[in-house]
Amino acid sequence: DVKVTQSSRYLVKRTGEKVFLECVQDMDHENMFWYRQDPGLGLRLIYFSYDVKMKEKGDIPEGYSVSREKKERFSLILESASTSQTSMYLCASRSGTGGLGEQFFGPGTRLTVL
Amino acid sequence: AQSVTQLGSHVSVSEGALVLLRCNYSSSVPPYLFWYVQYPNQGLQLLLKYTTGATLVKGINGFEAEFKKSETSFHLTKPSAHMSDAAEYFCAVSDQQGNTPLVFGKGTRLSVIA
Repeated sequence: DVKVTQSSRYLVKRTGEKVFLECVQDMDHENMFWYRQDPGLGLRLIYFSYDVKMKEKGDIPEGYSVSREKKERFSLILESASTSQTSMYLCASRSGTGGLGEQFFGPGTRLTVL
Repeated sequence: AQSVTQLGSHVSVSEGALVLLRCNYSSSVPPYLFWYVQYPNQGLQLLLKYTTGATLVKGINGFEAEFKKSETSFHLTKPSAHMSDAAEYFCAVSDQQGNTPLVFGKGTRLSVIA
């Protein structure tokens, strides 16, 4: 069964802390994505990666960075967490070739910044 | 650029009644279209997708959707609502080459009343 896992389901951090959110997929997918989900705003794309060491900005990259050193792992980094970054963060992966566009999602990390 | 509009942020139906969740899309290229469901405190799960071919698509849990190019719509239906259908539903679009991340609508929360 395909699987996308995220390192934490719930996380509480202080303003100004550096925060790492980890995502791992076991499907050998080339593409990986980070979204944040807020009530009434749906899913907004933060960053995505088409391959190892590649990254592309999404719609709301400000205040975030990413790292993809291995194909199966895609990390989202909050350099200096702020209360406005309190949200649900969803990671997804997708096959880069031969796939029909479907993205597979992890369970999400609910981050609270105090 | 692609976009998705979901009409109605909240839909409420009685158990056993028809479920209709509306989705309109905008795309300059032939689209792939998706419906995802999110149960409380979980990630997104694919309900169904349209790629090419038959315009009426059947998905899991008795849901189906019809791609209508002339109306740029991809509405989700289920003949008889069940209490377990209560969740948030997201419509999404991508291009057929799979070169772009999915673009999501803002979601529709479905409540089912006993």
